[in-house]
Amino acid sequence: NAGVTQTPKFRVLKTGQSMTLLCAQDMNHEYMYWYRQDPGMGLRLIHYSVGEGTTAKGEVPDGYNVSRLKKQNFLLGLESAAPSQTSVYFCASSPGGANTEAFFGQGTRLTVV
Amino acid sequence: GQSLEQPSEVTAVEGAIVQINCTYQTSGFYGLSWYQQHDGGAPTFLSYNALDGLEETGRFSSFLSRSDSYGYLLLQELQMKDSASYFCAVELNRDDKIIFGKGTRLHILP
Repeated sequence: NAGVTQTPKFRVLKTGQSMTLLCAQDMNHEYMYWYRQDPGMGLRLIHYSVGEGTTAKGEVPDGYNVSRLKKQNFLLGLESAAPSQTSVYFCASSPGGANTEAFFGQGTRLTVV
Repeated sequence: GQSLEQPSEVTAVEGAIVQINCTYQTSGFYGLSWYQQHDGGAPTFLSYNALDGLEETGRFSSFLSRSDSYGYLLLQELQMKDSASYFCAVELNRDDKIIFGKGTRLHILP
């Protein structure tokens, strides 16, 4: 059982380039989330989705877009990368509602130079 | 807005007991969760309190008091492998966001 899989695991971008991070889950979870983790800042919610075809803004959505065309996939896009977006990105999924156990992917380490 | 406050670091001795506190300001949530994260790894779920009181899972226990806006994670019989960061989190029942605290780094001394 793969759980939550993130692609890629590492990436270096130049300022202004674009990229898409892919998150796939095989647990049939309704809810999916994208977080960024920076030293001393914990996990900050970027965007999330409570079902196929839905997305919503989290705490730090600026500079990112997301799409949830299929229930199992949640894509995070950076249209024009900035050095401030250098971070570790985690995707998570959960059954949603009152069950708050979230399952995390292994993370994507992104460096923008 | 919503916020969760935790100590940034805690140090304890192997074999001892340590408590990591979490105070929160939020308008409504389903329950309080705790996650563990080792260096270079992903967060993993430890426990969940939907109701006030103590929940026990092996060496780990978690407590919630909604009236005091407070919870804690209790780790007993500390082992070196417990050295990690611990995060409290809430799922808001208004909009289903899961919000995390900034984490507590647990250092364990031999």
